[in-house]
Amino acid sequence: DAGVIQSPRHEVTEMGQEVTLRCKPISGHDYLFWYRQTMMRGLELLIYFNNNVPIDDSGMPEDRFSAKMPNASFSTLKIQPSEPRDSAVYFCASSFGPESSYEQYFGPGTRLTVT
Amino acid sequence: EDQVTQSPEALRLQEGESSSLNCSYTVSGLRGLFWYRQDPGKGPEFLFTLYSAGEEKEKERLKATLTKKESFLHITAPKPEDSATYLCAGHSYGQNFVFGPGTRLSVLP
Repeated sequence: DAGVIQSPRHEVTEMGQEVTLRCKPISGHDYLFWYRQTMMRGLELLIYFNNNVPIDDSGMPEDRFSAKMPNASFSTLKIQPSEPRDSAVYFCASSFGPESSYEQYFGPGTRLTVT
Repeated sequence: EDQVTQSPEALRLQEGESSSLNCSYTVSGLRGLFWYRQDPGKGPEFLFTLYSAGEEKEKERLKATLTKKESFLHITAPKPEDSATYLCAGHSYGQNFVFGPGTRLSVLP
């Protein structure tokens, strides 16, 4: 398997623009997680899905952020409108089985810069 | 509020010099405590999950232990390829996953 695939790997955009990050989880995995990592706040869980259904979105910072998982092989994280403070590395991860197993496989991340 | 802290913030070791990393947590109703390794420019890589006080797990030169308030990641005779940031995280019933800030480990040849 190719592992978790994220695109784009780098995104530079201007404040106010819409940004869409994409993720393809490992085939057969039933959990999908979106994280954000910054120097100041470290790694933060934004939202996670089980069998394409959002389970916990309490980490989503505000209404400008939204995530969808239309099927088992694809998820998006959208920021609209984007702000400079959204600049971070966004990771997608997937796992199989109950979330307490914790063996999540992370993608390479998308480095987002909002100017 | 659930919280995870790690110490030291950074650690430099000579090759072969064993040491331990600390993870302290205040998580109500802990479901699991887990360790990840992260190399620069990459996503975290899973190492261990610990579920209850007294539990220990080993993998090559690494051993993770858990008490009621903290976890330790022991590194025995480290090699330069063990250099990375080590992240600890907790998950409690009904709560979000909470990650610590990490310990940056450098192992010098």
